[in-house]
Amino acid sequence: NAGVTQTPKFRILKIGQSMTLQCTQDMNHNYMYWYRQDPGMGLKLIYYSVGAGITDKGEVPNGYNVSRSTTEDFPLRLELAAPSQTSVYFCASSYSGGLDEQFFGPGTRLTVL
Amino acid sequence: TQLLEQSPQFLSIQEGENLTVYCNSSSVFSSLQWYRQEPGEGPVLLVTVVTGGEVKKLKRLTFQFGDARKDSSLHITAAQPGDTGLYLCAGDNNAGNMLTFGGGTRLMVKP
Repeated sequence: NAGVTQTPKFRILKIGQSMTLQCTQDMNHNYMYWYRQDPGMGLKLIYYSVGAGITDKGEVPNGYNVSRSTTEDFPLRLELAAPSQTSVYFCASSYSGGLDEQFFGPGTRLTVL
Repeated sequence: TQLLEQSPQFLSIQEGENLTVYCNSSSVFSSLQWYRQEPGEGPVLLVTVVTGGEVKKLKRLTFQFGDARKDSSLHITAAQPGDTGLYLCAGDNNAGNMLTFGGGTRLMVKP
């Protein structure tokens, strides 16, 4: 199993550009999550999904959109990139929510200039 | 919003020393998890504690969940350079669908 994979690893965007961060998991997990981690800080939840076709906002959803058309994929879309979105983005998955262990991808480092 | 505060934010110690890091909240959590994150990687789960007063040991790491389930601590005995990393605590929001993460403690263990 590859676990949770994320692409790209690094990206530089100009203000106002858009992009999609890709996330795929091969563990047949129901729950998937997107977090952002600012330098030296903990993780903040952007969006999560409890299954295909179901998504919900986390703590910091503004400026982002998600979709979950399949169990495996959970892309994160930035429509109009802003410098405040410069961060490291982590995708994670778990079989169920709550106590269940979350497995994290390696992250995407995004810089908006 | 449930908040988790971790202290200290930074800790630099010599190999062989003991240390304790803390995770505190004014809210009650149904469970609490500790993760370790190494540079350039995602966090990896170390332990989950679910019962007030619970103590779990993982080799040289001892985790404790407070009696009131509002706080937790991580104690490392005889720290080694391989323990270097960012330690994150995360609490279940009682709805069972998301975790709230603390800001982390960045630990450096010097040889």
